[in-house]
Amino acid sequence: GEDVEQSLFLSVREGDSSVINCTYTDSSSTYLYWYKQEPGAGLQLLTYIFSNMDMKQDQRLTVLLNKKDKHLSLRIADTQTGDSAIYFCAGQTGANNLFFGTGTRLTVIP
Amino acid sequence: EADIYQTPRYLVIGTGKKITLECSQTMGHDKMYWYQQDPGMELHLIHYSYGVNSTEKGDLSSESTVSRIRTEHFPLTLESARPSHTSQYLCASSDTQGYTFGSGTRLTVV
Repeated sequence: GEDVEQSLFLSVREGDSSVINCTYTDSSSTYLYWYKQEPGAGLQLLTYIFSNMDMKQDQRLTVLLNKKDKHLSLRIADTQTGDSAIYFCAGQTGANNLFFGTGTRLTVIP
Repeated sequence: EADIYQTPRYLVIGTGKKITLECSQTMGHDKMYWYQQDPGMELHLIHYSYGVNSTEKGDLSSESTVSRIRTEHFPLTLESARPSHTSQYLCASSDTQGYTFGSGTRLTVV
């Protein structure tokens, strides 16, 4: 299966931008996703990018994909305390299964 | 609004008991999944189904079993719970538009 890696922790000040990084191993991944998990809850789909795209922007969220380096990032502009959560990167392979990263715990400091 | 439902949200049970975690979705998705989430956050696929009467084991070996008698229902059963089964269990379903996750069941076996 695919390996997906993320750093475990990120702290930012409220109002700053957050950048969460992810690397993956399977170049045949068709879709790459970002999910948000708040304490005690399931996963909420934030955004996704198709593998033939380089960038996708959706309001405060910007996803950048570097296919050559197999690197995906999620930028959250004007980070708010409500953005504090765990963020998972996930790759979808041809078998239609999702492979998740370890999750990055984002803490927003007021 | 959630279209995939997991019950119970929390369960504390004694060692050796048989338990069934329920998962239902109202979206008519053929594909459904069970993920186990470590206390350290990683998610691992333990079972999946591509339709009625189809079930497969995932990447992480699990002592649980699943069944898929109806499209909307994908229960997970532990015949004899052990403390090592303590975890969060997330159910998901998918179609060509992507994945939807339930809120999870947090299981504690004492």
